[in-house]
Amino acid sequence: EADIYQTPRYLVIGTGKKITLECSQTMGHDKMYWYQQDPGMELHLIHYSYGVNSTEKGDLSSESTVSRIRTEHFPLTLESARPSHTSQYLCASSANTYGYTFGSGTRLTVV
Amino acid sequence: DQQVKQNSPSLSVQEGRISILNCDYTNSMFDYFLWYKKYPAEGPTFLISISSIKDKNEDGRFTVFLNKSAKHLSLHIVPSQPGDSAVYFCAAPIIQGAQKLVFGQGTRLTINP
Repeated sequence: EADIYQTPRYLVIGTGKKITLECSQTMGHDKMYWYQQDPGMELHLIHYSYGVNSTEKGDLSSESTVSRIRTEHFPLTLESARPSHTSQYLCASSANTYGYTFGSGTRLTVV
Repeated sequence: DQQVKQNSPSLSVQEGRISILNCDYTNSMFDYFLWYKKYPAEGPTFLISISSIKDKNEDGRFTVFLNKSAKHLSLHIVPSQPGDSAVYFCAAPIIQGAQKLVFGQGTRLTINP
């Protein structure tokens, strides 16, 4: 039973559109993360949050933005999608640093 | 600066045989390691972990070995089953400063019938 939910699972969208990828968790975790992964590549941290109203950029520069208004909700927004944003986006949460619970991911394709 | 490295992008093993996936790390401050398994279009799921105070941890068909002097860990799967075909990532937590997991590039394991 998934305790962290990502929607949509798949998204195909045109260039220039604004998109929001949703991520919600029911575990009460303070820490939440967004990773980006391309096939055959490692997971790159693009955003993280340690609690409400706390957001930080990760290791990989990203044109996306995030918000954390509620503990359980950590949406990621792209104001103007481009083909270079095509990737898999993975949301995770944790109670501590020693292990994450990941959502099922969103496969984004920008055409 | 990649602190966790998986140098084999892919591995093919016959069903019933042993699968050995390798991972090297450069940061001597790492004291805990995790393996995640990922199917296509799914998020990674936790598989097994090991603390640096141990050199081996076993869970059913999965065993992780840690060699601290060589900064190397390996995941053994015995016997390998078709459902084990997936991408495997090793990871280690950074607990100083920005607390996060760093991941290797992953190894795609294919189990052949």
